[in-house]
Amino acid sequence: DVKVTQSSRYLVKRTGEKVFLECVQDMDHENMFWYRQDPGLGLRLIYFSYDVKMKEKGDIPEGYSVSREKKERFSLILESASTNQTSMYLCASSRVYNSPLHFGNGTRLTVT
Amino acid sequence: ELKVEQNPLFLSMQEGKNYTIYCNYSTTSDRLYWYRQDPGKSLESLFVLLSNGAVKQEGRLMASLDTKARLSTLHITAAVHDLSATYFCAVGLIFPTSGTYKYIFGTGTRLKVLA
Repeated sequence: DVKVTQSSRYLVKRTGEKVFLECVQDMDHENMFWYRQDPGLGLRLIYFSYDVKMKEKGDIPEGYSVSREKKERFSLILESASTNQTSMYLCASSRVYNSPLHFGNGTRLTVT
Repeated sequence: ELKVEQNPLFLSMQEGKNYTIYCNYSTTSDRLYWYRQDPGKSLESLFVLLSNGAVKQEGRLMASLDTKARLSTLHITAAVHDLSATYFCAVGLIFPTSGTYKYIFGTGTRLKVLA
């Protein structure tokens, strides 16, 4: 079974802090994704990557950046955390470009 | 802009009853996905529907796809408490110029099955 591991289950950060969310997958998947999940809004795509060092903006990239230095690891960076970035963050990967996504358990981030 | 709409957003139903969740999307898509999310857990893939008229079934859940109407349905037969979860549909979209592929999710349907 594919495993997608997010480094933290819960995080509490202060406004203005730089925040790193880490995601690792163990099945050599090409594609990796970061979503945020908010009540009533479903999942919204922040960034995705289809290859090492490649990244594409999703629908809500503002205030975020990403890094993919190795195939198995995809990091989401909040350059200067703000309270409106309080959310559940979900990392996912897919084997090829249109296969089903495999999700991590999520990181619930609170920015105070 | 691709929009994916699910309805209802909330559904409370009695055990043993049947019901359908609807997923409408606004533009041509590569394929349609259904996921389940249990409370406090992450999303788990249920079905992938590839073409018009596709139907897939697992247990009490059956998903279908009508690409002409841009509509997918998730039908629940004789609901049981264990089906209580949030169900998401997602649409796959290819961007020909960049060759990239995005998964766009609906807002989710929160299902509660009452004993």
